[in-house]
Amino acid sequence: KQEVTQIPAALSVPEGENLVLNCSFTDSAIYNLQWFRQDPGKGLTSLLLIQSSQREQTSGRLNASLDKSSGRSTLYIAASQPGDSATYLCAALLIIQGAQKLVFGQGTRLTINP
Amino acid sequence: DGGITQSPKYLFRKEGQNVTLSCEQNLNHDAMYWYRQDPGQGLRLIYYSQIVNDFQKGDIAEGYSVSREKKESFPLTVTSAQKNPTAFYLCASSREQGSYGNTIYFGEGSWLTVV
Repeated sequence: KQEVTQIPAALSVPEGENLVLNCSFTDSAIYNLQWFRQDPGKGLTSLLLIQSSQREQTSGRLNASLDKSSGRSTLYIAASQPGDSATYLCAALLIIQGAQKLVFGQGTRLTINP
Repeated sequence: DGGITQSPKYLFRKEGQNVTLSCEQNLNHDAMYWYRQDPGQGLRLIYYSQIVNDFQKGDIAEGYSVSREKKESFPLTVTSAQKNPTAFYLCASSREQGSYGNTIYFGEGSWLTVV
């Protein structure tokens, strides 16, 4: 079964810290990996998209990396702020039985404490 | 502004009743999707459509139906056959279904509760 796993399920850190969120996937036949942010009761907002040919993407204080060989992606958040508090989900576009399928992790709920 | 509009935001369904969730996009995207999200879980695909008048079942299509008569619109009907419909429903779109490098965009979601 193709799976995407995010550990930990919840993370709480003081404001100003740098932090890393993890995303693991079981299949190296990946097209791309996307990181999303979800605020409570809201839809998902795309943060970064990494192609399978890329190793990382950056946007402001966010940096996402992709290592296909180990089946891992990380989202690095620098100088965290209370406004970064949200649930972060990763989604891998995989090839499953010859068809493309977007598989989501369960998310990491991040709390930044002032 | 371009985006995806879902309505209603909150919907209550009585036992045995069909309800329809609306999804409209003005991004000129070909592909549209419906996902279901349960508390503390990731998203599960219900249905998707790559072009007008065509749609495919996702992982949990039983008890749901869709139509794609217009490029901009992809309504989801939750039928009485869906035994556990209480969830958060998300509509999404992308330029092409699953294409390399295409970002997927989401609406704000609709909460459905069975009463």
